[in-house]
Amino acid sequence: TQLLEQSPQFLSIQEGENLTVYCNSSSVFSSLQWYRQEPGEGPVLLVTVVTGGEVKKLKRLTFQFGDARKDSSLHITAAQPGDTGLYLCAGDWAGNNRKLIWGLGTSLAVNP
Amino acid sequence: SAVISQKPSRDICQRGTSLTIQCQVDSQVTMMFWYRQQPGQSLTLIATANQGSEATYESGFVIDKFPISRPNLTFSTLTVSNMSPEDSSIYLCSVGSSGTQYFGPGTRLTVL
Repeated sequence: TQLLEQSPQFLSIQEGENLTVYCNSSSVFSSLQWYRQEPGEGPVLLVTVVTGGEVKKLKRLTFQFGDARKDSSLHITAAQPGDTGLYLCAGDWAGNNRKLIWGLGTSLAVNP
Repeated sequence: SAVISQKPSRDICQRGTSLTIQCQVDSQVTMMFWYRQQPGQSLTLIATANQGSEATYESGFVIDKFPISRPNLTFSTLTVSNMSPEDSSIYLCSVGSSGTQYFGPGTRLTVL
C-alpha cells in the first residue's frame, strides 16, 4: 500500500504550458516536502509546507498544502525546458517514526 | 544547507564482489540516511546511520548485505556486499531531519 500517492507518474508537455502534480494520502502529515532531481544528481529540496492551507510560491512554481494536511499540489506556470526532471513529494508522518514517506515521483519532460 | 559529497560517483562491478560507498558532509550532523533509487523512480530508505551505534535498517535490508559505518558526525560508508545484478541502482546518502533532508549526488552502481 502506497501511503503517498503521486500523480501523474509521467508528463510530457510543450514549453509554455501549465501543469499540476498531486500528492494525496489518507494520512495526516506534520509537513510535506517537494524535491526536484535531475539526471546524475541527488534530489534538491524545493519547498517544505507545514501549515494546513499553506501556499508557497517559488518563481513559476506554486505549492499548496491541503487544509487537512493530507495532500499537496505543485503547479508550474509556463513550463520551460529547464523544469525537466523528476519531481518527488515526501511527507513527514509521525506514524512512521518520523521518517519520510516518499511518493513514487513524477517524471516531467518539457519540450522546446 | 549541508554540502554532501559521495565517492565513487559511479562504478561497474562484477557479481560476487563488494563495493564501499563513502559519504562526506561539510558540517557535523546527527542523522545520516542511505537510500536506494532505480533511475527515474522514487527513493527507498535502506538504513539510518547512527554515530556511535549500529545502523537502523528498514524492512528488507540486512546488515550482512549492507554494512554501514558511522565513525564520526561528518562521515559514513555503505558497503554493498556479495553483489548481484539486482543490486544495480543509484545509492544516495542524505542528512537532515524528517522535516528537511539534503542529498549527495549519488553513486550509480552497475553489477555485471
